[in-house]
Amino acid sequence: GESVGLHLPTLSVQEGDNSIINCAYSNSASDYFIWYKQESGKGPQFIIDIRSNMDKRQGQRVTVLLNKTVKHLSLQIAATQPGDSAVYFCAEGGTASKLTFGTGTRLQVTL
Amino acid sequence: EAEVAQSPRYKITEKSQAVAFWCDPISGHATLYWYRQILGQGPELLVQFQDESVVDDSQLPKDRFSAERLKGVDSTLKIQPAELGDSAMYLCASRWTGGSNTQYFGPGTRLTVL
Repeated sequence: GESVGLHLPTLSVQEGDNSIINCAYSNSASDYFIWYKQESGKGPQFIIDIRSNMDKRQGQRVTVLLNKTVKHLSLQIAATQPGDSAVYFCAEGGTASKLTFGTGTRLQVTL
Repeated sequence: EAEVAQSPRYKITEKSQAVAFWCDPISGHATLYWYRQILGQGPELLVQFQDESVVDDSQLPKDRFSAERLKGVDSTLKIQPAELGDSAMYLCASRWTGGSNTQYFGPGTRLTVL
């Protein structure tokens, strides 16, 4: 049968509050970063991306911050909604067009 | 909105049997990827195609796994024989080669090997 995976770090947030999900990446040569949202039983869904020549990028209710000095990436979700409940993955990429995914963080939105 | 299609969505098989998964990328996406995702972990790349050519299959267990993309459009991933440890979600993704590095994923095939 299917093996039991690693225990995911979990962030619990009350509906309406802001969420911040963090990610440490490993390769200082990575020049492209993506955040994906994955709901149970579904494939990862693109949320937002950022290139290494930027330190901030905003989308609809989401902001990604990049700190290359400490190799840290964060995803901020404003006014978190129940539909935001999912596992969030950061991914880093370089010139070879391959992505390396982080462990993932489970976001639980409480009412 | 264009999406990556995968079938079947679920597959249950016994060990030592052969299984095959199909993927149809977003139209116009020349780059296609197959990933394996174990529960609770991030996707791990198995094979990358550029058109009909394999670009990277360094993580593909070639003794039992094979992948093809004969006409550079849809792709098939095969496992023969399946083992218990192959139980996982198999994801297909595609990318437009024009400049963006963003990969778009299909819904995946959940494989259970008994």
